[in-house]
Amino acid sequence: KAGVTQTPRYLIKTRGQQVTLSCSPISGHRSVSWYQQTPGQGLQFLFEYFSETQRNKGNFPGRFSGRQFSNSRSEMNVSTLELGDSALYLCASSSAGTGGSNTEAFFGQGTRLTVV
Amino acid sequence: GENVEQHPSTLSVQEGDSAVIKCTYSDSASNYFPWYKQELGKRPQLIIDIRSNVGEKKDQRIAVTLNKTAKHFSLHITETQPEDSAVYFCAARMYSSASKIIFGSGTRLSIRP
Repeated sequence: KAGVTQTPRYLIKTRGQQVTLSCSPISGHRSVSWYQQTPGQGLQFLFEYFSETQRNKGNFPGRFSGRQFSNSRSEMNVSTLELGDSALYLCASSSAGTGGSNTEAFFGQGTRLTVV
Repeated sequence: GENVEQHPSTLSVQEGDSAVIKCTYSDSASNYFPWYKQELGKRPQLIIDIRSNVGEKKDQRIAVTLNKTAKHFSLHITETQPEDSAVYFCAARMYSSASKIIFGSGTRLSIRP
């Protein structure tokens, strides 16, 4: 069974640009959540999607947005990039909400975004 | 708001000794407490978890305890080995609702040979 796949693995962008990251969850998982990991702030929750609907949202500005497609794949977008957006962006998929007994969240390898 | 505090931020122990990491959560609705291990350059991986209807859970050298009244939970690693060196994150969430995980700030554990 394939794990959670994130693309691209590495990305370098310039301030002011926008970026789109992709996450393909484990087959059958309908919940996908996104996290930002930085040395100073740790792992912070961005948002969670379930069946194409945003179910939860963290405390990030509106420049951070996401969506989920009917096949459960998710994308997150960051517009008007700032230097402080440089981070490892992790997505996690889970069967939470589908009635299964195991709702463990499985993480992808992450996309390392560098803003210059 | 929801918050998980984790201590210490760094921990260095002699190989073979025990390591203890402590966390406190704020959201009374949290009923599921996973612990993740993240090795350098790798993704966080679940190592053990506990639900709020259980006070303690053990898996070989790793154990987790939960005091729901005090909103405290701890990770205990016994007989530490070099491969235990990593960053450990405690977390809290609603078991059934979502994968919205509130993480602690992480503990960098180093095992001295």
